[in-house]
Amino acid sequence: NAGVTQTPKFRILKIGQSMTLQCTQDMNHNYMYWYRQDPGMGLKLIYYSVGAGITDKGEVPNGYNVSRSTTEDFPLRLELAAPSQTSVYFCASSYGDRVGAEAFFGQGTRLTVV
Amino acid sequence: GDSVTQMEGPVTLSEEAFLTINCTYTATGYPSLFWYVQYPGEGLQLLLKATKADDKGSNKGFEATYRKETTSFHLEKGSVQVSDSAVYFCGTQGGKLIFGQGTELSVKP
Repeated sequence: NAGVTQTPKFRILKIGQSMTLQCTQDMNHNYMYWYRQDPGMGLKLIYYSVGAGITDKGEVPNGYNVSRSTTEDFPLRLELAAPSQTSVYFCASSYGDRVGAEAFFGQGTRLTVV
Repeated sequence: GDSVTQMEGPVTLSEEAFLTINCTYTATGYPSLFWYVQYPGEGLQLLLKATKADDKGSNKGFEATYRKETTSFHLEKGSVQVSDSAVYFCGTQGGKLIFGQGTELSVKP
């Protein structure tokens, strides 16, 4: 029962470096999401996807890019990392077009930019 | 756009106290409403949900009623336990899934 798997769990980046956060799900969900969680700020939606080949911006998309070439994978790309991107990142998936569909979350990636 | 506002935390209660966490939302149409819970070091997991006006979601002694007229979905529990200590998120889905800022609950023995 893998569910939603995120890698890596922890990462330290230097300012200006780039990296990709990986997310994969094995539940055949059509919707996938990326959130960042900052202390006292809750969960903010970065990008989401309603199916392979379709992505859309969320609340805080600046500084990030995504792609969705398969149903299973939804990687998040950080270009030119900045200290403001220090956060915990969560990936989630669901049957988002079904009323009341539950979203399943990964364990998170803790990213520090120094 | 859609948005969710929750009461600020942290909330500290004694065991067996009554809990209310307020949540209001802004959305078009009739979104589904959710409460998720996050335990330390983990991702979020669904606590309860409601999909239409006047629906009551319930789970593990927690309840919340979908109030269309006040655009609210307040979380309640009659008697909290130490094991309920966690962060609680209210969410709405009318397409994309949006959350509030989270409310940290600490229950003392």
